[in-house]
Amino acid sequence: DTAVSQTPKYLVTQMGNDKSIKCEQNLGHDTMYWYKQDSKKFLKIMFSYNNKELIINETVPNRFSPKSPDKAHLNLHINSLELGDSAVYFCASSLLDRAGYTFGSGTRLTVV
Amino acid sequence: SQQGEEDPQALSIQEGENATMNCSYKTSINNLQWYRQNSGRGLVHLILIRSNEREKHSGRLRVTLDTSKKSSSLLITASRAADTASYFCATDHSGGSNYKLTFGKGTLLTVNP
Repeated sequence: DTAVSQTPKYLVTQMGNDKSIKCEQNLGHDTMYWYKQDSKKFLKIMFSYNNKELIINETVPNRFSPKSPDKAHLNLHINSLELGDSAVYFCASSLLDRAGYTFGSGTRLTVV
Repeated sequence: SQQGEEDPQALSIQEGENATMNCSYKTSINNLQWYRQNSGRGLVHLILIRSNEREKHSGRLRVTLDTSKKSSSLLITASRAADTASYFCATDHSGGSNYKLTFGKGTLLTVNP
């Protein structure tokens, strides 16, 4: 039983393409996140949603658009991909009572 | 930046030894958490310590928090080769519904058999 599942696990695409990453959690958590981990393993928050509502939108280019159709799903769509978007993207979920996060296994995005 | 800073960046020890990693942060926190990341995998939550707590234990893990020094340490006792991973501290500085964790850059722990 996968708690937080992301698809795809690997994504190789050309500059300028548009791609989506999907995330689903079956933990009953009310808050979901997207984090970006760069090549130096630095993790930076991008977005968070609580019960389908956008709560946090860090300084992220508007080529990145999250969508939460329900509180168990948070997808990430990226337009006009650039070389600098290459990274590992992690979805995570938690309860809003400041508990720990549960992370997905990550999506390694490579833009060529 | 509110980002936590782990120290050391890398640590190599022999199986059976203890490993100690430190984390420092800059602004007051609600809680501090430690996570483990095995190579090519997602992060796994290890332990959470609240700002009014000073020490917590979980199995072979011991976490301390000193809010006056804005620092925390993670001790792994009797280390095993399977403990080889990157360890991150994460701090919650947020208020209200803007709950988010700010992660440090991690300590890469290598436990040699």
